[in-house]
Amino acid sequence: AQSVTQLGSHVSVSEGALVLLRCNYSSSVPPYLFWYVQYPNQGLQLLLKYTSAATLVKGINGFEAEFKKSETSFHLTKPSAHMSDAAEYFCAVSIRAQKLVFGQGTRLTINP
Amino acid sequence: NAGVTQTPKFQVLKTGQSMTLQCAQDMNHEYMSWYRQDPGMGLRLIHYSVGAGITDQGEVPNGYNVSRSTTEDFPLRLLSAAPSQTSVYFCASSDRWTSSEAFFGQGTRLTVV
Repeated sequence: AQSVTQLGSHVSVSEGALVLLRCNYSSSVPPYLFWYVQYPNQGLQLLLKYTSAATLVKGINGFEAEFKKSETSFHLTKPSAHMSDAAEYFCAVSIRAQKLVFGQGTRLTINP
Repeated sequence: NAGVTQTPKFQVLKTGQSMTLQCAQDMNHEYMSWYRQDPGMGLRLIHYSVGAGITDQGEVPNGYNVSRSTTEDFPLRLLSAAPSQTSVYFCASSDRWTSSEAFFGQGTRLTVV
């Protein structure tokens, strides 16, 4: 069965610093991968998705993620953190299945 | 378009009571699902549906029932509430899970006392 692991339940960076949120997946076939963001007391919204068209995927709010098959990874990055990026981030995977499977989530804190 | 609408937003139940969480979408999506969100555990799939009349179990189905009589609605029923079901519940819909964006409702915060 497919699964996804997010490394680090809490990441803290300074405003203007690089953001790196890690996600590894397990799959024997090419997956579809997603990053979602959840702001306090809200539902989830899509940041970006990988559907095999390109390994480097650009999303909203300056985020991007790179699919690395050899490392089974789909890490999320942003060159310069902004205070408004503080939220919880979820990696999710779907592999020709009719459902999404989510990681445990990473809470991102931005220090002024 | 309203997207995915969940009601109620908040609910307090006593142990043993039953209730139904409502979910409706107006995007004509085939796929719908229910998740529960607990601290440190991410979102765990309860039940999902790939179309009217078709449902299946997710990771944590015990204590919950679903049905899908129309494309628009996917209610989640708690049969006999337990404190372990205290959680935030999210409904989501999508054209296809494999490459389409999943749209989420705003959530229902349920407390069982």
